[in-house]
Amino acid sequence: NAGVMQNPRHLVRRRGQEARLRCSPMKGHSHVYWYRQLPEEGLKFMVYLQKENIIDESGMPKERFSAEFPKEGPSILRIQQVVRGDSAAYFCASSPPLPREATGELFFGEGSRLTVL
Amino acid sequence: AQTVTQSQPEMSVQEAETVTLSCTYDTSESDYYLFWYKQPPSRQMILVIRQEAYKQQNATENRFSVNFQKAAKSFSLKISDSQLGDAAMYFCAYNRGRYDMRFGAGTRLTVKP
Repeated sequence: NAGVMQNPRHLVRRRGQEARLRCSPMKGHSHVYWYRQLPEEGLKFMVYLQKENIIDESGMPKERFSAEFPKEGPSILRIQQVVRGDSAAYFCASSPPLPREATGELFFGEGSRLTVL
Repeated sequence: AQTVTQSQPEMSVQEAETVTLSCTYDTSESDYYLFWYKQPPSRQMILVIRQEAYKQQNATENRFSVNFQKAAKSFSLKISDSQLGDAAMYFCAYNRGRYDMRFGAGTRLTVKP
């Protein structure tokens, strides 16, 4: 049973370019979450999606960042016109639908490290 | 707002000895979940142990156990018989059963041979 798959593991972009990070949740999971981890810090919540719906994007920067989870295919975190401050590790997590609340657990991918030159 | 505080940026322990990592949290909820995640150099987030707030009994997973003090909002992790493979960043996390899991800043654990 494959875990949460993220790609690419490492991505290098120049300032002003676009970054796209992909996440395939665990089999049977319909909820996807994106977190950002700055160096020497914990993970910060960005967005929570279900298939074709953004449930909560309160942790997303208001500009340049967007996320989607289409009916078919992986979830995508898109960062337009990247700046050096976007350099971080971006983690995707997934969880099953109810009764997920019975455990509260999220299952994490290995992360995608974005470096902006 | 819920916050999670880990007051020990770094800890070290001798192999085979015991170490305790501290975590406190702030919440007005009565039902929630607490977690310790381990992040080795590979950066994979690995669940170490989970505690439901409504359970008074402290969770235990092999060499890992917690001391959950609900009134004090404290959730410490004890690692017994430390092994070299335990060296990692450890994150305490809080989740009230919804999606916005909150993490502490982490404690870097070094295990000395």
